[in-house]
Amino acid sequence: AQSVAQPEDQVNVAEGNPLTVKCTYSVSGNPYLFWYVQYPNRGLQFLLKYITGDNLVKGSYGFEAEFNKSQTSFHLKKPSALVSDSALYFCAVRPNDYKLSFGAGTTVTVRA
Amino acid sequence: NAGVTQTPKFQVLKTGQSMTLQCAQDMNHNSMYWYRQDPGMGLRLIYYSASEGTTDKGEVPNGYNVSRLNKREFSLRLESAAPSQTSVYFCASSGEGYQETQYFGPGTRLLVL
Repeated sequence: AQSVAQPEDQVNVAEGNPLTVKCTYSVSGNPYLFWYVQYPNRGLQFLLKYITGDNLVKGSYGFEAEFNKSQTSFHLKKPSALVSDSALYFCAVRPNDYKLSFGAGTTVTVRA
Repeated sequence: NAGVTQTPKFQVLKTGQSMTLQCAQDMNHNSMYWYRQDPGMGLRLIYYSASEGTTDKGEVPNGYNVSRLNKREFSLRLESAAPSQTSVYFCASSGEGYQETQYFGPGTRLLVL
């Protein structure tokens, strides 16, 4: 069975501070890992993914994520958060099939 | 290039009514998906179509049917709507291969009374 956990329902940070959104996974084999962002009343937008290779993945809007196999984690990070980063963030994992499993989501609020 | 489009954007149904949600993509993707999003539960896969002519059940298929009409279009049908099917429905598409990114439509908000 595969699962994705986002241990924090909400993350609050001040603008300009570092932002981290946590994700851990449990899946057999070598997973493909994804981060998506959802703004209010919108669909999901792709941010970045880990397939293989370098553990640090860089994505859209200044986001990056670090794959840690020993800790089975794929945390999303941004060095300096913006108010416009306030949104709902989803981690997703996909083993070697078509089914993408999503975490429950983390609401990020960046205050000015 | 519109990406993934969905119609309608919003729909209200009475219990027992039927409806079809439409999805189309213009990215020449082989694979298409239907998800539902409920608060605190992330997105759950209802059905998917790995390629034209094939469909498979996902995590929560009960109460739904799908049709892959052609490579571009993938519809989701509720034959007899129930209040438990009140949700936001997203269609997605991707290229062939498990490493390919799924791209999502804007969603259909469905309320079943």
